Amino acid sequence: QQQVKQSPQSLIVQKGGISIINCAYENTAFDYFPWYQQFPGKGPALLIAIRPDVSEKKEGRFTISFNKSAKQFSLHIMDSQPGDSATYFCAASQNQGGKLIFGQGTELSVKP
Amino acid sequence: EPEVTQTPSHQVTQMGQEVILRCVPISNHLYFYWYRQILGQKVEFLVSFYNNEISEKSEIFDDQFSVERPDGSNFTLKIRSTKLEDSAMYFCASGAGANYGYTFGSGTRLTVV
Repeated sequence: QQQVKQSPQSLIVQKGGISIINCAYENTAFDYFPWYQQFPGKGPALLIAIRPDVSEKKEGRFTISFNKSAKQFSLHIMDSQPGDSATYFCAASQNQGGKLIFGQGTELSVKP
Repeated sequence: EPEVTQTPSHQVTQMGQEVILRCVPISNHLYFYWYRQILGQKVEFLVSFYNNEISEKSEIFDDQFSVERPDGSNFTLKIRSTKLEDSAMYFCASGAGANYGYTFGSGTRLTVV
């Protein structure tokens, strides 16, 4: 019940295309859903996050869509660029200061 | 932008030796964490620390592991007797609370030989 399932495992997108990564969770007590971007040899960096009281959040080219009833959330990267090539992790946590449960990660490659 | 600083960036140690991984969290943060990532795998929670005590730990965080915040600025992870399977990237993270996100350090790559 603590798991967060992420798909796809890898994704290849052409420059300018839309990258879509999906996550699903079981624990309805989760109340914070961030996405992290990780470059090789670096720590995860917070990209964008959402709470379950909204269905969508947009920051620049990055959008989270959240479906509370389906217990799913997704990251959309519009106008994908080669510099977006990285591993993306969804995560979830509950309560103030709660631990993050990470998905398996998606390795995104944006081809020029 | 404030950063979480981890040292060393890479540590090689003999199996059975003790290692201490060091972290300087962001100064006004209240919640501190250690995570690890085995090569090519997902990031796994080890332990969270709040108000000078462990608030939660995973099944990975057994008696070989301990954490300390000795001086109000540093946050350390000690592995008492390292095993080969402890080889991983260890990330420290800190947060002001769930509403504000968590900031990760760049990690310490621990190699046990």
